[in-house]
Amino acid sequence: KNEVEQSPQNLTAQEGEFITINCSYSVGISALHWLQQHPGGGIVSLFMLSSGKKKHGRLIATINIQEKHSSLHITASHPRDSAVYICAPQLNRDDKIIFGKGTRLHILP
Amino acid sequence: KAGVTQTPRYLIKTRGQQVTLSCSPISGHRSVSWYQQTPGQGLQFLFEYFSETQRNKGNFPGRFSGRQFSNSRSEMNVSTLELGDSALYLCASSLLPGLAGGTDTQYFGPGTRLTVL
Repeated sequence: KNEVEQSPQNLTAQEGEFITINCSYSVGISALHWLQQHPGGGIVSLFMLSSGKKKHGRLIATINIQEKHSSLHITASHPRDSAVYICAPQLNRDDKIIFGKGTRLHILP
Repeated sequence: KAGVTQTPRYLIKTRGQQVTLSCSPISGHRSVSWYQQTPGQGLQFLFEYFSETQRNKGNFPGRFSGRQFSNSRSEMNVSTLELGDSALYLCASSLLPGLAGGTDTQYFGPGTRLTVL
């Protein structure tokens, strides 16, 4: 079983829809990161969370440490949000980063 | 402020050769991390350097090595290339160690796409 599971793997939605991407992990973590990767490879770090909730523009990230679960939400989605979103827990035993397989999001205009 | 730069952007090598990739972090950033991304395995952590010292290492064979210079620039080297080493190699920099370096943002370079024939 993978230590990090993301769902869904692929998501297609209409512009304006509310998007939720989920991440579950089975290891002890000190933090969890959400990354965005656009076609062509460029990666942007969106959030680092160790508890609670963070908001940046239309993006919201939440984490429940007890349930070992994090979600990334996008409100009022836009075609420019189309990208792969990657969940990356940071292990508390050695600080290493492990990665989910990513969620490929496609927002239709 | 210039972003993270990686050179070369594209590289084609043959099996058995060795390759050196370079990463220049954002000015003032002392931590550089390297990642490998393949379609099959996704993103995987290679190693992290801070102030010229390897702080952390992923589960890769000894053919993969790296170093960091006093100006924080980093290189990674892969010797005896195998077909499976074909990947996008990404480096990221931050002020402090750790993926987020204590802040919310780590800065990734555009990557070097290595193809091994």
